[in-house]
Amino acid sequence: KNEVEQSPQNLTAQEGEFITINCSYSVGISALHWLQQHPGGGIVSLFMLSSGKKKHGRLIATINIQEKHSSLHITASHPRDSAVYICALSQYGNKLVFGAGTILRVKS
Amino acid sequence: NAGVTQTPKFRILKIGQSMTLQCTQDMNHNYMYWYRQDPGMGLKLIYYSVGAGITDKGEVPNGYNVSRSTTEDFPLRLELAAPSQTSVYFCASSARGQPQHFGDGTRLSIL
Repeated sequence: KNEVEQSPQNLTAQEGEFITINCSYSVGISALHWLQQHPGGGIVSLFMLSSGKKKHGRLIATINIQEKHSSLHITASHPRDSAVYICALSQYGNKLVFGAGTILRVKS
Repeated sequence: NAGVTQTPKFRILKIGQSMTLQCTQDMNHNYMYWYRQDPGMGLKLIYYSVGAGITDKGEVPNGYNVSRSTTEDFPLRLELAAPSQTSVYFCASSARGQPQHFGDGTRLSIL
């Protein structure tokens, strides 16, 4: 069983929809990261969180440590949000363990 | 404001050839990492470094070597290229306990 499981694997949404991507994990962590990867592009860190909730623009990340679960929400989705969203765990030190990613396509 | 710079961006190698993927960062980060990304799979850690002169193996180190002679540079060496090493390679750096900054990646094909 993978330490990090993301769902869904693929997601297609209409512009303006509220989007949720989920991440479940099975190990103790020091922090959870959400990253974004555009097609053919590099990887950008969106959030790093160890408790509660963080918000940046239209993006919201939440984590429930007891349930070992995190969600990434996108409000008022836009075609430019189309990307792969990756959940990753910090267990000790700075090393990350990555999920396989969720491919998001937002149609106009 | 360069961040993490990787070269080359693309490369085709023949089986058995060797090459070095270059990575440099200008943020004075102590931590540096090399990952590979295969289609449909999460990134896998190849090697990492917590400071100049210190390196350690990650999850998939076989067939690769690294060195860290300076804070800025963390090259990844492939000695005898094999088709299984066809992948996209990402270098990243971070300060301790902070998010990682990634380079744009090197797309490597071995034929």
